[in-house]
Amino acid sequence: RKEVEQDPGPFNVPEGATVAFNCTYSNSASQSFFWYRQDCRKEPKLLMSVYSSGNEDGRFTAQLNRASQYISLLIRDSKLSDSATYLCVVNVDRGSTLGRLYFGRGTQLTVWP
Amino acid sequence: EAQVTQNPRYLITVTGKKLTVTCSQNMNHEYMSWYRQDPGLGLRQIYYSMNVEVTDKGDVPEGYKVSRKEKRNFPLILESPSPNQTSLYFCASSYTGTGSAAFSYEQYFGPGTRLTVT
Repeated sequence: RKEVEQDPGPFNVPEGATVAFNCTYSNSASQSFFWYRQDCRKEPKLLMSVYSSGNEDGRFTAQLNRASQYISLLIRDSKLSDSATYLCVVNVDRGSTLGRLYFGRGTQLTVWP
Repeated sequence: EAQVTQNPRYLITVTGKKLTVTCSQNMNHEYMSWYRQDPGLGLRQIYYSMNVEVTDKGDVPEGYKVSRKEKRNFPLILESPSPNQTSLYFCASSYTGTGSAAFSYEQYFGPGTRLTVT
């Protein structure tokens, strides 16, 4: 079983739609969680870290459910510029320092006009 | 400008010819890491380093070597490249820390190195 599983999509949504991505992880000792965005084989860039209580950054909301080992990303009011691949990332290491990282395979999103 | 640089950006080589991909960061980050990205498999961590002279295996270390003699540099060495190492390689760096600080540590990625081994 892979450490991190994501629905690969593709998700094709109209502008203004709300879309949600899910990610599950297998190691209950996982310490920290992130969502990255990657445009067309360019380098990934951090979208947001995921905090235990859930967190919001503008149109983006991330949630963590440790009991179900599940992370989600919600995008509201989708823009054309949101079209990208979204990567779920899990930090699995002793303690809570940044260590060994596992990436999901990514979920592809296309927003159409 | 804060950045992670990789060289070369593109490389075509033959099986068995040793090569090194360099990675350098100018942000004084403790943590550096190498990944490979393959279609359908996503990004997989090869090696990471939490500080100078401290390296550890990631998910797919076989066939690769790394060294961290200076904080800013983290070269990836392929002693005897094989066609299954054809891939897109990314280097990344970050601060690292303990406790809640680790939750906000952003990794900065280099632009990638596209390697083809024939």
